[in-house]
Amino acid sequence: QKEVEQDPGPLSVPEGAIVSLNCTYSNSAFQYFMWYRQYSRKGPELLMYTYSSGNKEDGRFTAQVDKSSKYISLFIRDSQPSDSATYLCAMNRHETSGSRLTFGEGTQLTVNP
Amino acid sequence: DAGVIQSPRHEVTEMGQEVTLRCKPISGHNSLFWYRQTMMRGLELLIYFNNNVPIDDSGMPEDRFSAKMPNASFSTLKIQPSEPRDSAVYFCASSHRGETQYFGPGTRLLVL
Repeated sequence: QKEVEQDPGPLSVPEGAIVSLNCTYSNSAFQYFMWYRQYSRKGPELLMYTYSSGNKEDGRFTAQVDKSSKYISLFIRDSQPSDSATYLCAMNRHETSGSRLTFGEGTQLTVNP
Repeated sequence: DAGVIQSPRHEVTEMGQEVTLRCKPISGHNSLFWYRQTMMRGLELLIYFNNNVPIDDSGMPEDRFSAKMPNASFSTLKIQPSEPRDSAVYFCASSHRGETQYFGPGTRLLVL
């Protein structure tokens, strides 16, 4: 069983739709949770970063963490064609000496105008 | 801040040749990570360094791969000899005190 599970999609939605992207994880030691966005032929770009259960909002994006259920989500409101990309969840145990991120497979999202 | 810098951005080489990929992490970051990304296997961690010291190289596929970090502002990933199955995008990322990682633009490697 993978430590992090993410539905690879692809996911196709009309412009303006609310998008929900999800990951589940099995390792309760994970403390820090991230969402990366990767456009085609580009490097992953950090989108959201959180370390506590609950919601964190940044513009049209909301990251949700439920540590009791080992479940994280990314919501995109009023989705735009420019949101079309692959979204990767990632998490780590955080050690000040540095620790490896564990990534989900990534969900490919297309927002149709 | 210039972000993580990688060079070259594209590399085409023939099987058997040596390939050297370079990375300059974000200034002040003390951890550096090398990843490989392919369609089949996704994003794979190859090796990471803390304070210039290799910590975990369990993802390095085989002895043909080696990585060094001679100082806090420079790292190399070398493949010798290269093989067609090494064709992938190689990313370097850096982080500060174990917090989230920032990725470079990647090096797209094609081994013929």
